[in-house]
Amino acid sequence: RKEVEQDPGPFNVPEGATVAFNCTYSNSASQSFFWYRQDCRKEPKLLMSVYSSGNEDGRFTAQLNRASQYISLLIRDSKLSDSATYLCVVNLASNTGKLIFGQGTTLQVKP
Amino acid sequence: GAVVSQHPSWVICKSGTSVKIECRSLDFQATTMFWYRQFPKQSLMLMATSNEGSKATYEQGVEKDKFLINHASLTLSTLTVTSAHPEDSSFYICSAAGLAGVPSYEQYFGPGTRLTVT
Repeated sequence: RKEVEQDPGPFNVPEGATVAFNCTYSNSASQSFFWYRQDCRKEPKLLMSVYSSGNEDGRFTAQLNRASQYISLLIRDSKLSDSATYLCVVNLASNTGKLIFGQGTTLQVKP
Repeated sequence: GAVVSQHPSWVICKSGTSVKIECRSLDFQATTMFWYRQFPKQSLMLMATSNEGSKATYEQGVEKDKFLINHASLTLSTLTVTSAHPEDSSFYICSAAGLAGVPSYEQYFGPGTRLTVT
């Protein structure tokens, strides 16, 4: 079983749509959680951290369910510029800094 | 702030040759640098963690004699792919951590190096 699993997609949605990505992780000792965005042939960039209480940043909302070991990302009012691959990332222990990346979910927003 | 550069951005080499990739933190001292590899349509896989002045810690399945990592200063780490073969063709990305007061899982990624071995 992969340590971090995501539906690879692709998700093809029209502009303005709301889209949700899911992610599960296998290690219950995981401590920190993130969503990164990766554009084609580029490095990943941190989109947002994910907290147990849920957090929002503009059109983006992230949720964490530790009991189910499940993380989600909701994007509202999709823009063309949101087209990218979204990576679910988990850190096992903050003192090691080791990040475990999911395979990524590809989003294509069409006009 | 917190900019990380990599050089070269892409390289094509012949099978059997060695390739060195540099990772630099431009405006902060990186006590820890990480090296990742990403094959097409796959996730980033951590290859090794390097701390300045000490030997790198390699992930399971990564050959330390093939992927030589040197972290001689707080702003530079290098990855040398020795005797490269076509199966080593990949996107190699480094990240750096070590900003004061910032946990090491907050990493700043370099732009990556695309290696093609012919």
